[in-house]
Amino acid sequence: DIQMTQSPSSLSASVGDRVSITCRASQTITSYLNWYQQKPGKVPNLLIYAASSLQSGVPSRFSGSGSGTDFTLTIGSLQPEDFATYYCQQSYSPPYTFGQGTKLEIK
Amino acid sequence: EVQLVESGGGLVQPGGSLRLSCTASGFTFSSYWMHWVRQAPGKGLVWVSRINRDGSSTSYADSVKGRFTISRDNAKNTLYLQMNSLRAEDTAVYYCARGLYSGDSTLGDYWGQGTLVTVSS
Repeated sequence: DIQMTQSPSSLSASVGDRVSITCRASQTITSYLNWYQQKPGKVPNLLIYAASSLQSGVPSRFSGSGSGTDFTLTIGSLQPEDFATYYCQQSYSPPYTFGQGTKLEIK
Repeated sequence: EVQLVESGGGLVQPGGSLRLSCTASGFTFSSYWMHWVRQAPGKGLVWVSRINRDGSSTSYADSVKGRFTISRDNAKNTLYLQMNSLRAEDTAVYYCARGLYSGDSTLGDYWGQGTLVTVSS
């Protein structure tokens, strides 16, 4: 099975900051990498698919990069509504797997 | 409008069984791969299973293989998850989710609101 490892597990930042979250796969997943945002009590929301494609309706301050085993989610200028937990997820080979999550908190 | 509505969750004793349903509307159900994802209270997301468009191909997480069965009825626009030999660690909110594109197996953008399964004596 492909293991997905996110770092950091938690992150404190301020409104306006630029932040990055990384995700590493235990083997190549080419570009079959999604990023989800989840707020407490809510359903996960797809932000980025195919490693770097912005899902419709998602603000352009979110961007994704990477291929193979190493991926990054970047938020260009944090807004108050961005404080949430972020998950990477691979759809390259079943069983599909999620990273453990990165909790983004207000500093 | 795409909608996915799960049902069938509840309290079940260890070793028991439960069948979850997910009723879809607002899109051509038979054209999409479908998935189940779960989330234990206060924990992260865990992918559980997927099924192809006509139900002929399925995949499972190691933790549920041999105990859970995914299926679908395209005539009823409904996805199912039959859960047998339930354990305490299966306690979670179970979400159904649609594939990203018609014919694509990638986990996608539309998720149901989830149904809570609690395994406890």
